[in-house]
Amino acid sequence: DAKTTQPPSMDCAEGRAANLPCNHSTISGNEYVYWYRQIHSQGPQYIIHGLKNNETNEMASLIITEDRKSSTLILPHATLRDTAVYYCIVRVVGNAGNMLTFGGGTRLMVKP
Amino acid sequence: DAGVTQSPTHLIKTRGQQVTLRCSPKSGHDTVSWYQQALGQGPQFIFQYYEEEERQRGNFPDRFSGHQFPNYSSELNVNALLLGDSALYLCASSLVLTGELFFGEGSRLTVL
Repeated sequence: DAKTTQPPSMDCAEGRAANLPCNHSTISGNEYVYWYRQIHSQGPQYIIHGLKNNETNEMASLIITEDRKSSTLILPHATLRDTAVYYCIVRVVGNAGNMLTFGGGTRLMVKP
Repeated sequence: DAGVTQSPTHLIKTRGQQVTLRCSPKSGHDTVSWYQQALGQGPQFIFQYYEEEERQRGNFPDRFSGHQFPNYSSELNVNALLLGDSALYLCASSLVLTGELFFGEGSRLTVL
């Protein structure tokens, strides 16, 4: 699976949009971009994933650049409960297994 | 609908001992994966079980072994514990052909 690069930490004001970048310049054509987050002392939580089109669900939006070398996770109205470590992962879907390779992630701090 | 459940939540062992951690997957899921998360780091893949067989394995020694039962639940066994085995052990379940992993809250192991 391709390697990802994320900033180690970011701050965001409560109520504002949080934009978390991820670089995956070596991504292959059959690799998806996945985002998970981990709130302190809990297991990681799935947020969203996409291949090449932008995706939106009740939690967030995922914007993938046209060349697919980078993406941005958007939390439209961040709350204090969104404070967590956010992991960007790229992987192939549909292979024999679905192992995830976690990097260091971005520690997002939402401030009042 | 119960999510992924793990037991015990916390345990303390001494060097050289053996430990067994247990996991019940989310209802309807047939694949279980185990991850180790050291303090301040992202989760690292240990292995994955499907149809009661180990399908993928990460870079972990043979001291780490597992089992999957016919009801899809799973156990992680670690023999000859080392201080460095102190970590949060996460179980995740999924349907084998999808990438969406659902994680439990983890079992925190402390080795003294």
